[in-house]
Amino acid sequence: DAGVTQSPTHLIKTRGQQVTLRCSPKSGHDTVSWYQQALGQGPQFIFQYYEEEERQRGNFPDRFSGHQFPNYSSELNVNALLLGDSALYLCASSFTGGSEKLFFGSGTQLSVL
Amino acid sequence: DAKTTQPNSMESNEEEPVHLPCNHSTISGTDYIHWYRQLPSQGPEYVIHGLTSNVNNRMASLAIAEDRKSSTLILHRATLRDAAVYYCILSNEGGSSNTGKLIFGQGTTLQVKP
Repeated sequence: DAGVTQSPTHLIKTRGQQVTLRCSPKSGHDTVSWYQQALGQGPQFIFQYYEEEERQRGNFPDRFSGHQFPNYSSELNVNALLLGDSALYLCASSFTGGSEKLFFGSGTQLSVL
Repeated sequence: DAKTTQPNSMESNEEEPVHLPCNHSTISGTDYIHWYRQLPSQGPEYVIHGLTSNVNNRMASLAIAEDRKSSTLILHRATLRDAAVYYCILSNEGGSSNTGKLIFGQGTTLQVKP
């Protein structure tokens, strides 16, 4: 049973570019949450997708957007990249109505130069 | 969202018990106490959670104070593989299960010495 998988594992972009990160949830899960983790900090909640819609959003600008597909996989898009967007981006999946336990992927390390 | 306070770092010797404290004096009656840990180069991993009573699972035990203003994560026999950042998080069970939103602090970095 594959857990949460994220791609790519590492990515290097330059300022102003756009990036798309991908996440496949754990089998049987229908909800995907995205987090940003800066170096030395705890993860910060970006938003969550359920039934292909954004259900709740953290304190992130509109440059951060997402999508969920019918197979429950998800994408995180970041436009107009800033140096400060350099971070580890984590995807977590869960089953709405089940245990609150979140399962995290290993993340995508994004470097903005 | 209720906040938690944890020591920045702790050290333990291998095969000895470890007690990781967490203060949450503003906890509300419906807040659950969750612990996650993050090993190097990995995403956070669920450890344990509880509401009022002490909880045990294969990974750890969670001891919750009677007034619920503090809790302690207990690793009964630390191994080198337990070296990680441990996060204590409060969340409303109903709310967070609908949103997947956990508020992480900076956690406690646990070092395990052989």
